Amino acid sequence: GAVVSQHPSRVICKSGTSVKIECRSLDFQATTMFWYRQFPKQSLMLMATSNEGSKATYEQGVEKDKFLINHASLTLSTLTVTSAHPEDSSFYICSADIAYQETQYFGPGTRLLVL
Amino acid sequence: TQLLEQSPQFLSIQEGENLTVYCNSSSVFSSLQWYRQEPGEGPVLLVTVVTGGEVKKLKRLTFQFGDARKDSSLHITAAQPGDTGLYLCAGADSSNTGKLIFGQGTTLQVKP
Repeated sequence: GAVVSQHPSRVICKSGTSVKIECRSLDFQATTMFWYRQFPKQSLMLMATSNEGSKATYEQGVEKDKFLINHASLTLSTLTVTSAHPEDSSFYICSADIAYQETQYFGPGTRLLVL
Repeated sequence: TQLLEQSPQFLSIQEGENLTVYCNSSSVFSSLQWYRQEPGEGPVLLVTVVTGGEVKKLKRLTFQFGDARKDSSLHITAAQPGDTGLYLCAGADSSNTGKLIFGQGTTLQVKP
């Protein structure tokens, strides 16, 4: 159980375009999902906490107008990288937690390359 | 601010050797998780420890949570090339937001 999927797994786009990444909990409902960014051989950096039905909470230094998060249902959260630039190229990972558990289950990640 | 100091950050060993990875903090965590991540994939949960002094075993991996719930260790016995990967410890944030505080990660390479 506790499977999280992400789509797409890889995306290459031109500078200035917007990219949407989906995160789904497949076999459970997730009131809270998290979005992370990860650079090669480094740990995960939390970008924002996504709560179903309310606005996302962004970590310090993360531009909310650049990284739009929508959590429209208990099984789906989306991250849109708006007007992407090469410096936005990274590995983006989402996670979801099950109510009353202090454990997060991670998606397989999305590799974004902005040319 | 809660911090988790993970060490070592890089480890390269020969197959069959033993190793230990440490996660230390000055803060108390209600629970701590260990994850393993392979390149290009998301982290996979290995174990969650919640009780001070708790020891959990997963085949050749032994996880320990400190008595004061401020530190944890991961010990691998007779490492194999398949153990290669990035190991991450993470503690539950005390603000009760569900956020995890991650250590810096340990990149393990096991050579055949």
